[in-house]
Amino acid sequence: DAKTTQPNSMESNEEEPVHLPCNHSTISGTDYIHWYRQLPSQGPEYVIHGLTSNVNNRMASLAIAEDRKSSTLILHRATLRDAAVYYCILRATGTASKLTFGTGTRLQVTL
Amino acid sequence: GAGVSQTPSNKVTEKGKYVELRCDPISGHTALYWYRQSLGQGPEFLIYFQGTGAADDSGLPNDRFFAVRPEGSVSTLKIQRTERGDSAVYLCASSPNGAGGNYGYTFGSGTRLTVV
Repeated sequence: DAKTTQPNSMESNEEEPVHLPCNHSTISGTDYIHWYRQLPSQGPEYVIHGLTSNVNNRMASLAIAEDRKSSTLILHRATLRDAAVYYCILRATGTASKLTFGTGTRLQVTL
Repeated sequence: GAGVSQTPSNKVTEKGKYVELRCDPISGHTALYWYRQSLGQGPEFLIYFQGTGAADDSGLPNDRFFAVRPEGSVSTLKIQRTERGDSAVYLCASSPNGAGGNYGYTFGSGTRLTVV
């Protein structure tokens, strides 16, 4: 599986935007970029995914670099409920592939 | 159902005992995954089912661990002769299709297994 690199932790103030970076320099042309988050004492929750173009949904936006070697998950207005561990994962297409989790970025949101 | 259901939510067992953990995936999801998560770590893949068959069991740590999905819906993870090192949260996820990166997973809340 292609590897991703994320900062161990980040902090944000409530109501401010948060940009969570992910590096994936060994991404292949058929890998999707997936983001999940895990709130305390819960299972991971799907956030967003994309292939080449930027993506928006009700939870977040995903900005993908032109060379696809990095991406950024954008939370437009952080709330206390967004405090979680955020995982950036590459998932191959066309194969029976599994998600391989790293250690993710622990996001702290303060008032 | 609306989500992935895992039962029990908590299980305490004595070392050496046998345990079964159950997962009810989202109706119609053909792919089902089991993961294990230790404190402070990301989820670790155990096994993946596509329909009734185990398409990838490369993550099962040893032959004490076994999983089945006989009718292509509910799955049971079975652990024989439990050890204290098996203590973890066991997560189940389902997806509309296992092949292809264009599908997200839906996870259950997990079963917290404690072996004493």
